[in-house]
Amino acid sequence: DTGVSQDPRHKITKRGQNVTFRCDPISEHNRLYWYRQTLGQGPEFLTYFQNEAQLEKSRLLSDRFSAERPKGSFSTLEIQRTEQGDSAMYLCASSARTGSYYEQYFGPGTRLTVT
Amino acid sequence: DQQVKQNSPSLSVQEGRISILNCDYTNSMFDYFLWYKKYPAEGPTFLISISSIKDKNEDGRFTVFLNKSAKHLSLHIVPSQPGDSAVYFCAASATGGSEKLVFGKGTKLTVNP
Repeated sequence: DTGVSQDPRHKITKRGQNVTFRCDPISEHNRLYWYRQTLGQGPEFLTYFQNEAQLEKSRLLSDRFSAERPKGSFSTLEIQRTEQGDSAMYLCASSARTGSYYEQYFGPGTRLTVT
Repeated sequence: DQQVKQNSPSLSVQEGRISILNCDYTNSMFDYFLWYKKYPAEGPTFLISISSIKDKNEDGRFTVFLNKSAKHLSLHIVPSQPGDSAVYFCAASATGGSEKLVFGKGTKLTVNP
């Protein structure tokens, strides 16, 4: 399977703990995006990387959140001092240019529950 | 403010009939539009897309129509099948920069046998 993979698929943590998620993009996709989806909403953009450079961050990404993409391959998203409001599905997508546009392909997501 | 709106939270159709899902957008900078299908506990799956230079794109049973003057797009599924039952998200992006996707809230489609 050469699609986008995410690990873990589910994470339950207590408020105040730190969590880290991993995303492995489709090989040779130079762009990688993180989104967050809460119940009844569509996915919302958090941040994106072009190769190893983080080029944009949403205002949704508070200073408790940090993302990295070392060597332009896999990416990690860390949430420090988790809060109940962080409970959501965290989605990763990767893309490469198709003609004039970048089509994004999503992974299965990591569902975070903060108790 | 919601830049992409899907005003119908749910839609129910009979197998074999046409399903029409609608989407409106407000940002004139959007020039690329996509539809994704999502099953519970899975990530969104890319379905079909259209650029603003076109008004129609077809792929098998799926057709997307774009009306730029009305800032409206629709997804037609013909014929509808029970396996099409899922949540459908409309998304839009502006080329250049991040090309991040802005999503609607989704429409839950149920196709009854």
